[in-house]
Amino acid sequence: RKEVEQDPGPFNVPEGATVAFNCTYSNSASQSFFWYRQDCRKEPKLLMSVYSSGNEDGRFTAQLNRASQYISLLIRDSKLSDSATYLCVVLTGRRALTFGSGTRLQVQP
Amino acid sequence: NAGVTQTPKFQVLKTGQSMTLQCAQDMNHNSMYWYRQDPGMGLRLIYYSASEGTTDKGEVPNGYNVSRLNKREFSLRLESAAPSQTSVYFCASSDADTGSPYEQYFGPGTRLTVT
Repeated sequence: RKEVEQDPGPFNVPEGATVAFNCTYSNSASQSFFWYRQDCRKEPKLLMSVYSSGNEDGRFTAQLNRASQYISLLIRDSKLSDSATYLCVVLTGRRALTFGSGTRLQVQP
Repeated sequence: NAGVTQTPKFQVLKTGQSMTLQCAQDMNHNSMYWYRQDPGMGLRLIYYSASEGTTDKGEVPNGYNVSRLNKREFSLRLESAAPSQTSVYFCASSDADTGSPYEQYFGPGTRLTVT
């Protein structure tokens, strides 16, 4: 079983739609959680951290459910520029991060 | 301020050839990392260096060696390339001891094909 699992998609949504991605992780000792964004043929970049209480950054909301070991990312009012692959990332007890394989989002006009 | 730079951007090797991927960062970060990214697999850690002079194996170290030449530079060497090493290689750095240790800054990647 992969440490971090994501639905690969693609999620095809119209502009203005709300879309949500989930991610599950297998190690209950995981300490910190993040969403990274990766544009096609580019490097990953940090989108936001995920806190237990949930956190929001503009149109993006991240939630963590430790009991069920899943993380979610909600994007409201989708823009064409949101089209990318979203990587769920987990830190478990060491410096290095474990990346999910990503969920691809395609926002259509 | 260039961030993280990698050379080369593209490379084609024949099986058995060797090469070194170069990585440099100008952010004065202590920690540096090498990942490979394959379709459907996500990024997998090959090696990392928590600080100058130290290196540690990651999830998939076999077939690779690394050198932390100084604080800025961290190179990845393939001694005898195999087709299974065809991948996109990313170098990253982070300020793991201070600031935000979990935000890793990535280079643009090296696309390697081994035939």
